[in-house]
Amino acid sequence: GESVGLHLPTLSVQEGDNSIINCAYSNSASDYFIWYKQESGKGPQFIIDIRSNMDKRQGQRVTVLLNKTVKHLSLQIAATQPGDSAVYFCAERKGYSTLTFGKGTMLLVSP
Amino acid sequence: NAGVTQTPKFQVLKTGQSMTLQCAQDMNHNSMYWYRQDPGMGLRLIYYSASEGTTDKGEVPNGYNVSRLNKREFSLRLESAAPSQTSVYFCASSVQTSGARWETQYFGPGTRLLVL
Repeated sequence: GESVGLHLPTLSVQEGDNSIINCAYSNSASDYFIWYKQESGKGPQFIIDIRSNMDKRQGQRVTVLLNKTVKHLSLQIAATQPGDSAVYFCAERKGYSTLTFGKGTMLLVSP
Repeated sequence: NAGVTQTPKFQVLKTGQSMTLQCAQDMNHNSMYWYRQDPGMGLRLIYYSASEGTTDKGEVPNGYNVSRLNKREFSLRLESAAPSQTSVYFCASSVQTSGARWETQYFGPGTRLLVL
């Protein structure tokens, strides 16, 4: 989910588990959504995107689910690896406007 | 391709000093953006340039100016730095062709700025 204040919500998983990271987006008119991964000290890295006319999209080891009814986006990571440890955040956009970013969730993967 | 590059990586300024953050992209993208990232907050848009020759304010433009020098380069200037501008600054770019609503943005590695 999204954070309030200085501390990010954290998801801790064991290596090999599946991870699910959630995002509640703000604008019901948003029609494009992106998940980014940000490792410590680095810039955000594109993972996967989805348009509002879809409810599911799969990539390599990642799946994004979109539920427009409740304005909810999730990122599923299969067989989570230590290298997946990072902050994950979603972004939304309506039409041709600029992106609006969520605050992020920290994923910690233990070997 | 190097993608999006930013200089410097780190900078310490005293209150009132000025500096320019540099950004360049080699992906032939039309649009470029400057964001700041503060602890516990999402990326906030400072300024963007939809195409060469245009710039627009984002969510938090106060205290900053930008220049789209050419298609490749987009700089961010702090005229009189304040402690509230201590942050990590990211530059991003996107293709943004006509009619393209589904384009993501690609980010640089960031500039970490401390204003004392």
